Amino acid sequence: DTAVSQTPKYLVTQMGNDKSIKCEQNLGHDTMYWYKQDSKKFLKIMFSYNNKELIINETVPNRFSPKSPDKAHLNLHINSLELGDSAVYFCASSQESVDSGANVLTFGAGSRLTVL
Amino acid sequence: GQNIDQPTEMTATEGAIVQINCTYQTSGFNGLFWYQQHAGEAPTFLSYNVLDGLEEKGRFSSFLSRSKGYSYLLLKELQMKDSASYLCAVRDPTDSWGKLQFGAGTQVVVTP
Repeated sequence: DTAVSQTPKYLVTQMGNDKSIKCEQNLGHDTMYWYKQDSKKFLKIMFSYNNKELIINETVPNRFSPKSPDKAHLNLHINSLELGDSAVYFCASSQESVDSGANVLTFGAGSRLTVL
Repeated sequence: GQNIDQPTEMTATEGAIVQINCTYQTSGFNGLFWYQQHAGEAPTFLSYNVLDGLEEKGRFSSFLSRSKGYSYLLLKELQMKDSASYLCAVRDPTDSWGKLQFGAGTQVVVTP
């Protein structure tokens, strides 16, 4: 199936731990994203990569480090987890360019992170 | 920066029509999107408007007025499965790579 897949779907961990979320897309898209959706359901962009190059880096603590080994993969590593990091993290991809208006995002199913 | 406003929740009866409004204030504009998100699931694309006017897709229509910074999503012949959150998102080309900014979403509850 063509899709954006991310793992794990659920992650429960203790404060201070380090964890990673992986994302892969087989849609052939050039651009991938990480979005965070908090308890108020507000979806906010964190990072974006285009062809393995970081193009969007929002005001995110440097405990969050994205890595894109190739254009089909974008992983998110989080160090020293805090309670406030609890959220659903969505990976997404799109086929776009800087001049493109249409930017249809295809989202993964989300990874629910709970920090205790 | 961008400011995107939409109502928090709307309730409607099966078979009825519901209109979800979205207003935005942006330093630039290059398209407005509507996404649907069922509880616990990924957002899925519904519609895209870049020019003024109405775009119709089956039971769903989306309208845009760029001069007013206003859009609405119209859901007709509501079905129970339409109970979901509807997210308005704006692309601002003055931001790097025209990133997509989302509103907080409107939770639509369809009752029998």
